[in-house]
Amino acid sequence: QKEVEQDPGPLSVPEGAIVSLNCTYSNSAFQYFMWYRQYSRKGPELLMYTYSSGNKEDGRFTAQVDKSSKYISLFIRDSQPSDSATYLCAMSRNGNNRLAFGKGNQVVVIP
Amino acid sequence: GAVVSQHPSWVICKSGTSVKIECRSLDFQATTMFWYRQFPKQSLMLMATSNEGSKATYEQGVEKDKFLINHASLTLSTLTVTSAHPEDSSFYICSAGTGASSPNYGYTFGSGTRLTVV
Repeated sequence: QKEVEQDPGPLSVPEGAIVSLNCTYSNSAFQYFMWYRQYSRKGPELLMYTYSSGNKEDGRFTAQVDKSSKYISLFIRDSQPSDSATYLCAMSRNGNNRLAFGKGNQVVVIP
Repeated sequence: GAVVSQHPSWVICKSGTSVKIECRSLDFQATTMFWYRQFPKQSLMLMATSNEGSKATYEQGVEKDKFLINHASLTLSTLTVTSAHPEDSSFYICSAGTGASSPNYGYTFGSGTRLTVV
């Protein structure tokens, strides 16, 4: 079983729709949970991070962590064409440690 | 803040030659650098972790003699792909960390290097 599972299927949504992404993981030692956005031929950029369980909101983005279920989610409200990118979940045991990445979801927001 | 500069952004080289990729932290001191490899439509695969002034720790299956990592200063790490072959063609990305506890500052990625070996 991989440490982090993220269904890599592409996702196409119309502009204004809610995008819902999720990952599951197996390592209960993970404490930091992150979502990265990666545009084509660019390095990932940190979008959101959450420590332990709970929700975090930043503008149109909401990250949720449920440690009891080992499940994390990212929601993008009022999606825009500029949100079209690959979204990768990542997690680590502490803030310094190496990251375990999901495979990423390619999201396309259609105008 | 927390900018990581990686170059070149793309490089084409002949099979059998070596290629060096540089990763610089511009406005902070990077105690730890991570080097990743990413295949098309795949996730990032960690290749190695290097701490300034010490030898890099390679992940299982990564040839340390082929992928030479040097982290000689707190602002510069290099990855040299030696005797490159077409199967080494990939997208290489570095990530720099300060050792700070917050992942906001702990994982800043470079913009990546597209290596094509012909």
